Amino acid sequence: SQTIHQWPATLVQPVGSPLSLECTVEGTSNPNLYWYRQAAGRGLQLLFYSVGIGQISSEVPQNLSASRPQDRQFILSSKKLLLSDSGFYLCAWSVRREGNTEAFFGQGTRLTVV
Amino acid sequence: DAKTTQPTSMDCAEGRAANLPCNHSTISGNEYVYWYRQIHSQGPQYIIHGLKNNETNEMASLIITEDRKSSTLILPHATLRDTAVYYCIVRVGGYQLIWGAGTKLIIKP
Repeated sequence: SQTIHQWPATLVQPVGSPLSLECTVEGTSNPNLYWYRQAAGRGLQLLFYSVGIGQISSEVPQNLSASRPQDRQFILSSKKLLLSDSGFYLCAWSVRREGNTEAFFGQGTRLTVV
Repeated sequence: DAKTTQPTSMDCAEGRAANLPCNHSTISGNEYVYWYRQIHSQGPQYIIHGLKNNETNEMASLIITEDRKSSTLILPHATLRDTAVYYCIVRVGGYQLIWGAGTKLIIKP
């Protein structure tokens, strides 16, 4: 069966510090991978998606970047965090199949920038 | 901007059917309707999706009106574990799902 791992679960970082959140998927090959952010009491906002190694698409301009160094690894990064980067970050994967975006989510990372 | 409209919150008695409505009056002909739910502080969980026809799986049923402008998610026998925020989402384009604020469903004993 497929599983998705995302860590850490919680993170408190000072303004201006770097960020690296990692997500890995097991039990599937060639998945589509996604990074979402969720503000308190709101729905999810898609930040990045990837359809293959080294292929990253950004949905919104921001202080963040993403990389996919391996097929089942997706990394969210920032060189200098802002207070506005605080939020609940979720990694997800889906089968790479036209017409299907049924996504499976990790448990999320709650980031607080102080 | 969300392409769906849902009630902010709903209550349902344990053991009864929970019917969650969703309006998507601007939906296009090739856009799917997805339902996810999110239990507090966890990642969202996929429930069901559909295009035109009604759909049923082990978790729920999805009823889509003939004009596709609204849909209803039905949890046939709600349990306390079904307490969560339920999101009705329209798939736009390739990979973007437009998420609204969802409906907070509270199952009461």
